Amino acid sequence: AQTVTQSQPEMSVQEAETVTLSCTYDTSENNYYLFWYKQPPSRQMILVIRQEAYKQQNATENRFSVNFQKAAKSFSLKISDSQLGDTAMYFCAFMLYSGGGADGLTFGKGTHLIIQP
Amino acid sequence: NAGVTQTPKFQVLKTGQSMTLQCAQDMNHEYMSWYRQDPGMGLRLIHYSVGAGITDQGEVPNGYNVSRSTTEDFPLRLLSAAPSQTSVYFCASIPWGRGHANYGYTFGSGTRLTVV
Repeated sequence: AQTVTQSQPEMSVQEAETVTLSCTYDTSENNYYLFWYKQPPSRQMILVIRQEAYKQQNATENRFSVNFQKAAKSFSLKISDSQLGDTAMYFCAFMLYSGGGADGLTFGKGTHLIIQP
Repeated sequence: NAGVTQTPKFQVLKTGQSMTLQCAQDMNHEYMSWYRQDPGMGLRLIHYSVGAGITDQGEVPNGYNVSRSTTEDFPLRLLSAAPSQTSVYFCASIPWGRGHANYGYTFGSGTRLTVV
């Protein structure tokens, strides 16, 4: 079974600062994706960024980037120039895939990120 | 496209009552799934389906039933609600098949269920 660990229950930074959210995972499989989801107070689950395990290049999406260390099984999210709208719960998630397709998601417990004005 | 639609958004049940949480998607996704979200626990997989007529259990299936008669719909049934089933429930879907995994899941907006 796969496990995902987010060791920071809550973080708080000032607007415009850079913040990094940590995520580690455990698996013996080779074919998988990693995701970061954002959940604002509206509770909608919003996909922030995805990383396929066999791709060495770290994924980036505008102000969001990841540091994917496959050997260390680490998948951290960096948010640059943080904005008040980034305040939310952030979940790291793991997904296996096989020849048939995607598997279910395994989530970490989440990090509550607060951006202070 | 409406994406993934869940109804109702809020529900209060008495212990022992039954109800069905509805989930519908219009993206022709083969894979559909139900998660529950509890404080400090993240989201956990309840049941999933890879196509009409095919369902399987996830991490926390006890107390829930599912069926999949069409590609579009994947209802979640609580046969006899218990206070431990108080949670926020999410339905999510993804295209099935190699090469589609990178799309990521599309989530519904969730149902907040309270069992008293």
